[in-house]
Amino acid sequence: ETGVTQSPTHLIKTRGQQVTLRCSSQSGHNTVSWYQQALGQGPQFIFQYYREEENGRGNFPPRFSGLQFPNYSSELNVNALELDDSALYLCASSLSTSGAAETQYFGPGTRLLVL
Amino acid sequence: AQSVSQHNHHVILSEAASLELGCNYSYGGTVNLFWYVQYPGQHLQLLLKYFSGDPLVKGIKGFEAEFIKSKFSFNLRKPSVQWSDTAEYFCAVNTADTGRRALTFGSGTRLQVQP
Repeated sequence: ETGVTQSPTHLIKTRGQQVTLRCSSQSGHNTVSWYQQALGQGPQFIFQYYREEENGRGNFPPRFSGLQFPNYSSELNVNALELDDSALYLCASSLSTSGAAETQYFGPGTRLLVL
Repeated sequence: AQSVSQHNHHVILSEAASLELGCNYSYGGTVNLFWYVQYPGQHLQLLLKYFSGDPLVKGIKGFEAEFIKSKFSFNLRKPSVQWSDTAEYFCAVNTADTGRRALTFGSGTRLQVQP
């Protein structure tokens, strides 16, 4: 069984640029969630995708957007990068079924540095 | 909105000492509770989870946690820590009442075990 993978592992961008981060979910999972983890803090929920639709969003501006593909992999796009966007971006996958609790499994993350 | 508090930010213990890490959440409805661990240089891993049933749950590597609904708490315990338990520990919660499965994390507790 393949776990959650993310690419790239590290990325350096400059302020104002755009970035795309990628995530492959664990085999059999249909839901992907994205989190931002700033240094010394817990992960903060950005948004979740289920069956290619956004299924909830945290307190992040619209310049944070995402996609989920038919194979359940996902992308996180951030436009107009700001210095405060420097963080570890985590992807988590899970299997969502109606009414059932689920467990999210995390990938290794992409560390983004904005200069 | 729900929140999670981890009051111990940095804990230093000697090997074989007992461990208890506090976690309190604020939400009046039904919750699912999790403890994740992040070893140095590794990704977030699930230690244990509570969905329903016996409030004392056992996880991997000898960890356990007790859900006390009246205290809105889900403290993590281990009777005897090892040097290899050095890591950052995160408590997380999501609600079972809504369709959104976003996890809300605490700010984490850094555990340092001295040999």
